[in-house]
Amino acid sequence: NAGVTQTPKFRVLKTGQSMTLLCAQDMNHEYMYWYRQDPGMGLRLIHYSVGEGTTAKGEVPDGYNVSRLKKQNFLLGLESAAPSQTSVYFCATGLAGTDTQYFGPGTRLTVL
Amino acid sequence: GQQVMQIPQYQHVQEGEDFTTYCNSSTTLSNIQWYKQRPGGHPVFLIQLVKSGEVKKQKRLTFQFGEAKKNSSLHITATQTTDVGTYFCGWNTDKLIFGTGTRLQVFP
Repeated sequence: NAGVTQTPKFRVLKTGQSMTLLCAQDMNHEYMYWYRQDPGMGLRLIHYSVGEGTTAKGEVPDGYNVSRLKKQNFLLGLESAAPSQTSVYFCATGLAGTDTQYFGPGTRLTVL
Repeated sequence: GQQVMQIPQYQHVQEGEDFTTYCNSSTTLSNIQWYKQRPGGHPVFLIQLVKSGEVKKQKRLTFQFGEAKKNSSLHITATQTTDVGTYFCGWNTDKLIFGTGTRLQVFP
């Protein structure tokens, strides 16, 4: 039982490059979330999903896209990376009808 | 719009001293959650408070939800070096929003 896993753990990109971050969960949770964490800014919600095939925008969605083709996976895409997207990205999951969230270990992304 | 402030931003204490962090909202909250994030780690759920005036304890940690459900506090009695980390409150609107966190440093 791995819980919530994130791939990759670290990544360095050049400005303009694209990449996809993968979040996978084996807890059968309906809800999945992507956050970014910057110093002094706390956790800010990028996009979230309340079920397979559905996604919605969070507080800071610009420059990111997401997909939830399978219940257990939630992908976060950066089409054209910018230095402002340098951050630590956390995925989280939760059961429908509850507010508790379970976080993955994070992906540290640097955009040069 | 709704504003929630978490204070203080930083707190340095000597081991054995107490510590408190607060979340204060301009509007009534339906519930509040508390998370802990160790340095280099990820947020981990600690507790959820739902009822007005609710108080919950976990060993040396005491969580309170105000009578008006506009504020909450996390109090740690006799801090230990294992308490080091950032403590976040979170509240639910149509999605979970987090405070900016309080970073606790404990000196031995």
